[in-house]
Amino acid sequence: DAGITQSPRHKVTETGTPVTLRCHQTENHRYMYWYRQDPGHGLRLIHYSYGVKDTDKGEVSDGYSVSRSKTEDFLLTLESATSSQTSVYFCAISESGLNYEQYFGPGTRLTVT
Amino acid sequence: LAKTTQPISMDSYEGQEVNITCSHNNIATNDYITWYQQFPSQGPRFIIQGYKTKVTNEVASLFIPADRKSSTLSLPRVSLSDTAVYYCLVGDLYILTGGGNKLTFGTGTQLKVEL
Repeated sequence: DAGITQSPRHKVTETGTPVTLRCHQTENHRYMYWYRQDPGHGLRLIHYSYGVKDTDKGEVSDGYSVSRSKTEDFLLTLESATSSQTSVYFCAISESGLNYEQYFGPGTRLTVT
Repeated sequence: LAKTTQPISMDSYEGQEVNITCSHNNIATNDYITWYQQFPSQGPRFIIQGYKTKVTNEVASLFIPADRKSSTLSLPRVSLSDTAVYYCLVGDLYILTGGGNKLTFGTGTQLKVEL
């Protein structure tokens, strides 16, 4: 399996608090992605990165920001968490573009109360 | 990126061949077709990718007709462990910088395999 870890794996937080999720890879892949998965919506792309400090928005980017200061780390931040952001968040990596083979992390289950 | 349409669910029995079809009428010249498998509480896993005709690997085959407006994932002799959600994606292999990119997994096809 590709070396991708996500932290934390589970988190419960209150509405209005900031939350940062971390994705760490050991594969030296250029591209990294954050998705959220909700019942009835499948997987939806939040943000992606195509290099250090190079990021772009995905399908559902409102309320989320990202940063990538090192090749191996991609951070997803919820500046002020809302209940609608309760979801399972997956990080993924790939050597090349979006439709290139992606390897997914184990996921982070976030609950906003 | 091309919009895809898949059946919401399919049922099968162990030992049967399962074919899941994905429609992508507005596929572009540079687009590839990719299939992923997802088990509960896990991230999706790449199964197969193709551009045209037929691609086969150790777990599946992908059939793409000449007009490329649809594709069929074929799983030979399924077992209970093949019960999962299967996603079809269509898009260019390389990210388009700027403007946001909306590659979507959609809701996939829930395959249930029974004894």
